[in-house]
Amino acid sequence: EAQVTQNPRYLITVTGKKLTVTCSQNMNHEYMSWYRQDPGLGLRQIYYSMNVEVTDKGDVPEGYKVSRKEKRNFPLILESPSPNQTSLYFCASSQRTDQPQHFGDGTRLSIL
Amino acid sequence: SQQGEEDPQALSIQEGENATMNCSYKTSINNLQWYRQNSGRGLVHLILIRSNEREKHSGRLRVTLDTSKKSSSLLITASRAADTASYFCATDPFNTGGFKTIFGAGTRLFVKA
Repeated sequence: EAQVTQNPRYLITVTGKKLTVTCSQNMNHEYMSWYRQDPGLGLRQIYYSMNVEVTDKGDVPEGYKVSRKEKRNFPLILESPSPNQTSLYFCASSQRTDQPQHFGDGTRLSIL
Repeated sequence: SQQGEEDPQALSIQEGENATMNCSYKTSINNLQWYRQNSGRGLVHLILIRSNEREKHSGRLRVTLDTSKKSSSLLITASRAADTASYFCATDPFNTGGFKTIFGAGTRLFVKA
């Protein structure tokens, strides 16, 4: 089954404790992206990757890092999480940017 | 931010009625997509319309695109309770090489049985 898998689904942690949210897709897609969703703001793009070892900033990259060492994986790293990063996070992938994106089920992060 | 805007923010209708949602954006685009999200779940793609297209249909969905007005509309005909969800438009601005995706804030649709 074609899917985008995010882990964990839920996480409560404390300020400053590094965390990684994993994202994996099994569709051999070249394009992957991370979004955060906050009430009233829709989805905002954090980072995107056009292919292995090629990443770029979206609209809200501050406080986040990503890497794309393999085509299927695109982890999101919060080196020193802060409460303003409490949000619902989505990973998505598509074959090309002009193709529909497939979304994971989301990761709800709470930073205390 | 070049975020698009949906209108209305929320819409409540009776089952069987049509629902129309609008999306406006700020810069030239390559294509525009509509997605649906059920209560905090992942987004599901509904329809993609390219900048050189004016109208597209998929089942009970009809999407129009007016690039001169930088706007799009999503029409859901004969709505059902299962259509209750949030609907988002997403654009890839032409001046970003098509790599960025800008989502609107969404329209929350509630269909009463």
